[in-house]
Amino acid sequence: GENVEQHPSTLSVQEGDSAVIKCTYSDSASNYFPWYKQELGKGPQLIIDIRSNVGEKKDQRIAVTLNKTAKHFSLHITETQPEDSAVYFCAASRNYKLSFGAGTTVTVRA
Amino acid sequence: KAGVTQTPRYLIKTRGQQVTLSCSPISGHRSVSWYQQTPGQGLQFLFEYFSETQRNKGNFPGRFSGRQFSNSRSEMNVSTLELGDSALYLCASSSQPGQASVGGGYTFGSGTRLTVV
Repeated sequence: GENVEQHPSTLSVQEGDSAVIKCTYSDSASNYFPWYKQELGKGPQLIIDIRSNVGEKKDQRIAVTLNKTAKHFSLHITETQPEDSAVYFCAASRNYKLSFGAGTTVTVRA
Repeated sequence: KAGVTQTPRYLIKTRGQQVTLSCSPISGHRSVSWYQQTPGQGLQFLFEYFSETQRNKGNFPGRFSGRQFSNSRSEMNVSTLELGDSALYLCASSSQPGQASVGGGYTFGSGTRLTVV
């Protein structure tokens, strides 16, 4: 089955700086890559996604890039704010099955 | 519009006992998926139900089971609890099975925190 690795497991950034989270996947047939944000005491929430026919997608301060050849995709958060502190999960999908990475705990320091 | 409701929020059980968790999806959503979340393991897929039928199943032992009712509400059951079953159990709903895997995403509940002692 699909194996998704996510790095780093923890990330501390100064408010206003950028944060980057990287994921790799094993199955070249995976074609959909969502990112979820989980705040304390809540369930994960979809924040952005990208399909395999697109290389980059942006939504305000967040962006996702996909390199199909290398089988890796990344989440970029610019101008980080305290409310960006959360756990972020990447996922990869093939045949209607989602496989999640282990998560990255992002802490934004004021 | 009410979100995904999971009950109870917290549960403490003893090894060997069994437990039942409940999930009410968003109104109109007919697909319910269950995930186990543990530190360092991320979200592990348990199963997905649609129209009272199990559509997909993850790699968990038979002690983990589920069902879905005609009103789309779902329950999962864990029998003969082990310490390693301590986790946050998340339920997610979508309008169609597999939809979260092609676009639109899941709507997750806040989870049930199960502690086995």
